[in-house]
Amino acid sequence: DGGITQSPKYLFRKEGQNVTLSCEQNLNHDAMYWYRQDPGQGLRLIYYSQIVNDFQKGDIAEGYSVSREKKESFPLTVTSAQKNPTAFYLCASRLGQGGNQPQHFGDGTRLSIL
Amino acid sequence: AQSVTQLGSHVSVSEGALVLLRCNYSSSVPPYLFWYVQYPNQGLQLLLKYTSAATLVKGINGFEAEFKKSETSFHLTKPSAHMSDAAEYFCAVSAGIQGAQKLVFGQGTRLTINP
Repeated sequence: DGGITQSPKYLFRKEGQNVTLSCEQNLNHDAMYWYRQDPGQGLRLIYYSQIVNDFQKGDIAEGYSVSREKKESFPLTVTSAQKNPTAFYLCASRLGQGGNQPQHFGDGTRLSIL
Repeated sequence: AQSVTQLGSHVSVSEGALVLLRCNYSSSVPPYLFWYVQYPNQGLQLLLKYTSAATLVKGINGFEAEFKKSETSFHLTKPSAHMSDAAEYFCAVSAGIQGAQKLVFGQGTRLTINP
């Protein structure tokens, strides 16, 4: 079955450490997205990519970095510059660039500080 | 800029009762609108979408939503609530050429079903 796989499901970060969250899709979707979810705040866009080797900052990109070297992969690195990284991170993908295409989501990674 | 407001962060209904979750949007161009559901510790699942083909949209699990341009609303309803409907629900808008590649989400409404 096609879908989006996020790993790991749970991740712990030490102070000063960078961590990378994995997102892989086999839907042959062009666009991919990373969101951060905090209680009571809905989803906020971190980064998105419409094609390979290109990505744009979302609303809360500071302290995060991404790469898009392959169509199916869009890893997110939470750097030590992100002072409050504890959150639920969701990856999504979408076929094409039309506004009427829905985004499809993975099951998320929960990141906590040790 | 597009925005979404979900009225009521928590809604509680009895099993078998009508479910009504409210969503109002702001958009300078004709919008595309979506409702998603999220169960604990899971990702979001698409319930339904409005893409201008019909104002009354039917989705999965017996949910439907009506697009009302005059009221800038896209409320989600289900005639009879089931215990399995307990979850968090998100309304989202995607609009225009500039915004076509992004979704803007509301803050979510947590639905509780009382037996």
